[in-house]
Amino acid sequence: DSGVTQTPKHLITATGQRVTLRCSPRSGDLSVYWYQQSLDQGLQFLIQYYNGEERAKGNILERFSAQQFPDLHSELNLSSLELGDSALYFCASSVDSGQETQYFGPGTRLLVL
Amino acid sequence: EDQVTQSPEALRLQEGESSSLNCSYTVSGLRGLFWYRQDPGKGPEFLFTLYSAGEEKEKERLKATLTKKESFLHITAPKPEDSATYLCAVHDQAGTALIFGKGTTLSVSS
Repeated sequence: DSGVTQTPKHLITATGQRVTLRCSPRSGDLSVYWYQQSLDQGLQFLIQYYNGEERAKGNILERFSAQQFPDLHSELNLSSLELGDSALYFCASSVDSGQETQYFGPGTRLLVL
Repeated sequence: EDQVTQSPEALRLQEGESSSLNCSYTVSGLRGLFWYRQDPGKGPEFLFTLYSAGEEKEKERLKATLTKKESFLHITAPKPEDSATYLCAVHDQAGTALIFGKGTTLSVSS
């Protein structure tokens, strides 16, 4: 158990809908990262938040957004969902803002029908 | 462009048959190389961090080594419970995002 929690574990929804994924980092960690894992692309970095502020962006679609709250939990919002958004979404956390080990949560499996 | 390539894609071993997994990387200024283990449908589980060429880390039957261009994950006398996908990753140039390889799926049969 990494100490990173994610909810829900599974999510099934329809195209065009909007969903919110939630992540709580390990106790004491200030950075939260979001990654997407699909069969063909592997693990891809989406976005990082550090102590409530956006720190880095990867290949995140404009339909996706995230935020980190004062209690350091983070939410990833996915809107106007398409079939291709079906994937595993992982949250990771680290103590600071760079170059340390990232610890991953159990993931949310999203299926868009 | 920063890149991580893992080989082989899949590896089948008999219990007790030692082998090595390879991770080659191209990045401007290595800021850390990471090995993770991932079971199907689960999150990546951290194994090792290596920062400089010549560094080695060990944990049970696993040993990770690092050179200037690649890393190896050596598995000694594997057991069926070692079956998983092993992922290698490096930090990007900003030292923020992890860039992952596609992984090596290891199957160990008894």
